Amino acid sequence: DIVMTQGALPNPVPSGESASITCQSSKSLLYSDGKTYLNWYLQRPGQSPQLLIYWMSTRASGVSDRFSGSGSGTDFTLKISRVEAEDVGVYYCQQFLEFPLTFGSGTKLEIK
Amino acid sequence: EVQLQQSGPELRRPGSSVKLSCKASGYSITDYLMHWVKHRPEHGLEWIGWIDPEDGETKYAQKFQSKATLTADTSSNTAYMQLSSLTSEDTATYFCARHDGTYYYHDYWGQGVMVTVSS
Repeated sequence: DIVMTQGALPNPVPSGESASITCQSSKSLLYSDGKTYLNWYLQRPGQSPQLLIYWMSTRASGVSDRFSGSGSGTDFTLKISRVEAEDVGVYYCQQFLEFPLTFGSGTKLEIK
Repeated sequence: EVQLQQSGPELRRPGSSVKLSCKASGYSITDYLMHWVKHRPEHGLEWIGWIDPEDGETKYAQKFQSKATLTADTSSNTAYMQLSSLTSEDTATYFCARHDGTYYYHDYWGQGVMVTVSS
C-alpha cells in the first residue's frame, strides 16, 4: 500500500498569514499520462471532507484561489494564503493512483 | 443539486451487524462509483472500498474484506454498506463519497453516519 505522510503546522497560525502543509508519498504518484494523482481535502469540524485540489495542483470548482497545490512525484505542498477563520479544520492528502486508496494522517489548522 | 443522504446514527452490541444507507439525489448512481470511508479522529480517514452500482462490481481494502459488504439498489438510487461482527474498533463515522471514473477524486460526500459499538 502507498503510505502518505503529512507534516504538522505550528499552530495557531495568525489570521492573514500563510500556511503550508506537506505530504509525502512512499511511491511516485506521477502516472504515465502526465498527471499526478494527489488530492487535498479539508474536513471542517463536524462536517464531511471537502475536495480542495486534485491532480496535485488543480483547484476544485468553487475553491478559493487562496489555496494552491504543488509538488513533485512524491513530495507535495498545500499552501493556504491569508488564512481565515473558515479555513480551520483538518487537511488530508489522498493518493488516487492505485487501490487501496490511502490518506495522510491529517494536519490540523488552528487560527489565532 | 447532487446530494448523498446517509441514514441516522446507530448503536449496536459487539458481535452484531449494521447496514448503512446512502441515498443519492440529483444524479443516477449508475453513472458514478460509490466509495465508503471510515473516520475516527485519532486514526484519520480510511478507505473501505467502492462499488459500481451499474454492475455490482466491488473492490475492498484488504483489512475490510471480511468486515464490509457493499451493495446498491438502482431502483431507489441507494448504496448500502453492511458491517458485520462489530467490535469497538468499528466505532466510527462512516462516509459515502462518489467518484467519477474520469476524474480521480471524491467530489460529493454524504454527511456521515456515526456507528457506536458498545455493550
